[in-house]
Amino acid sequence: DTAVSQTPKYLVTQMGNDKSIKCEQNLGHDTMYWYKQDSKKFLKIMFSYNNKELIINETVPNRFSPKSPDKAHLNLHINSLELGDSAVYFCASSQIQGLAGSEQYFGPGTRLTVT
Amino acid sequence: AQTVTQSQPEMSVQEAETVTLSCTYDTSESDYYLFWYKQPPSRQMILVIRQEAYKQQNATENRFSVNFQKAAKSFSLKISDSQLGDAAMYFCAYRRDYGGATNKLIFGTGTLLAVQP
Repeated sequence: DTAVSQTPKYLVTQMGNDKSIKCEQNLGHDTMYWYKQDSKKFLKIMFSYNNKELIINETVPNRFSPKSPDKAHLNLHINSLELGDSAVYFCASSQIQGLAGSEQYFGPGTRLTVT
Repeated sequence: AQTVTQSQPEMSVQEAETVTLSCTYDTSESDYYLFWYKQPPSRQMILVIRQEAYKQQNATENRFSVNFQKAAKSFSLKISDSQLGDAAMYFCAYRRDYGGATNKLIFGTGTLLAVQP
C-alpha cells in the first residue's frame, strides 16, 4: 500500500491554464505539507495543514490555493499557470499530536511542466 | 532564520569505499532535529537517518552514520562500503523541535553523489 500518493505524477500544460494536484495519505497522520522543488533541486515548504487547518503559508503567489477536504487529503490548485511554476511538487505528511519527533513521509512528487 | 548549507554540490566515490557528505546549519534554537534524505533518479524522497539535537550519541543506520557536532553546528553523513544504489542526491534538512504543526523541514541545496564501479 502506498503511504502518500499523488496524482498525477506528470502534468504538462500551457501557460494560463488552471490545474490541480491531488494528495492522499493512508498513514492516519494529522498534518500534511506541500513542498516545491525547483529546477536546481532546491526544496522549499509552501503550505502545511493540520487537521484541515492552514498552519504554514510561506511566501507563495495567491495563484496557489491549497485545499484540505479532510485530514487524509491535501490538494493544490494553481490558477493562471506561468512558466516559472514548472517544478516538482511534493506532498508529505506527519503525525504532530503527541509525537514531537514525527517523521515526514513524502509522496512520489508531481512534475509540472508549463509550456 | 534557520539555514542549512551543503558546500559540496557533487561528490564521487568508488564502490566499496567510504565517503563523507558535509552539512552545516545555523540556528538559535537548542532543540531541533537533523535529517539526511536521499533522492535517487526516481525522485522519491527517502529518509536515510535522523539525529535529535539533545542526543550526544551519533545516529547510525547500517552503513550510514553521522558526525553531529552541536557546538560547531555541523552534521556530516558517512556512507561506508558504498554501493551503486547509493548514487543519488542527498539533502541535509533541519527541523525545530517545536512539537507543533509549524515543524517545516528546511533543506540544504543537496549533494549529488556518484558511485563508480
